[in-house]
Amino acid sequence: GAVVSQHPSRVICKSGTSVKIECRSLDFQATTMFWYRQFPKKSLMLMATSNEGSKATYEQGVEKDKFLINHASLTLSTLTVTSAHPEDSSFYICSALSGANVLTFGAGSRLTVL
Amino acid sequence: GENVEQHPSTLSVQEGDSAVIKCTYSDSASNYFPWYKQELGKGPQLIIDIRSNVGEKKDQRIAVTLNKTAKHFSLHITETQPEDSAVYFCAASKGWGTGNQFYFGTGTSLTVIP
Repeated sequence: GAVVSQHPSRVICKSGTSVKIECRSLDFQATTMFWYRQFPKKSLMLMATSNEGSKATYEQGVEKDKFLINHASLTLSTLTVTSAHPEDSSFYICSALSGANVLTFGAGSRLTVL
Repeated sequence: GENVEQHPSTLSVQEGDSAVIKCTYSDSASNYFPWYKQELGKGPQLIIDIRSNVGEKKDQRIAVTLNKTAKHFSLHITETQPEDSAVYFCAASKGWGTGNQFYFGTGTSLTVIP
């Protein structure tokens, strides 16, 4: 089946630094990837839709300059949290859409900003 | 836009009993309905899905039913086991191709009591 690799699984950084999270589709090409943020015991909050070769589409309320998304190839999308603050600490999850319209999730990345 | 509602938010069952989680959707154009299982600290995993051209699908102890007229679909887990304990999300999607959105329910926390 489809596999999505997300890295790193955990990251701790200092306030003011930037952190990059990678999302790779390992055995299929994904023209569309999605980035979610999940708070404890809450549902998935869609942050942005990432389309290969074009600018990401951000959901209302998500700062595009803070959460930079790049989808440079059919198998890789990256999320960079710039100038991170403690309130950015969260569980970030990517997903990739296969040609059969099946959505596969990565394992998630736990970001802690000190 | 699409609105997916999921009930109950929490569910406790005795091991061996059945569990049923229900979702409703609002957009009659939605035609693909996946279910995801999320264990603590991990990304959601696809466990079963159904497309609008069928009314029921079964995979061992898991089944999904779809009522297009009433716009609701349900997940059924029989002979529950402690390892079934997790958060379950339903989703609805329509169409194919770039940028196709998935709309998620708010999740059901299932606890199977040994």
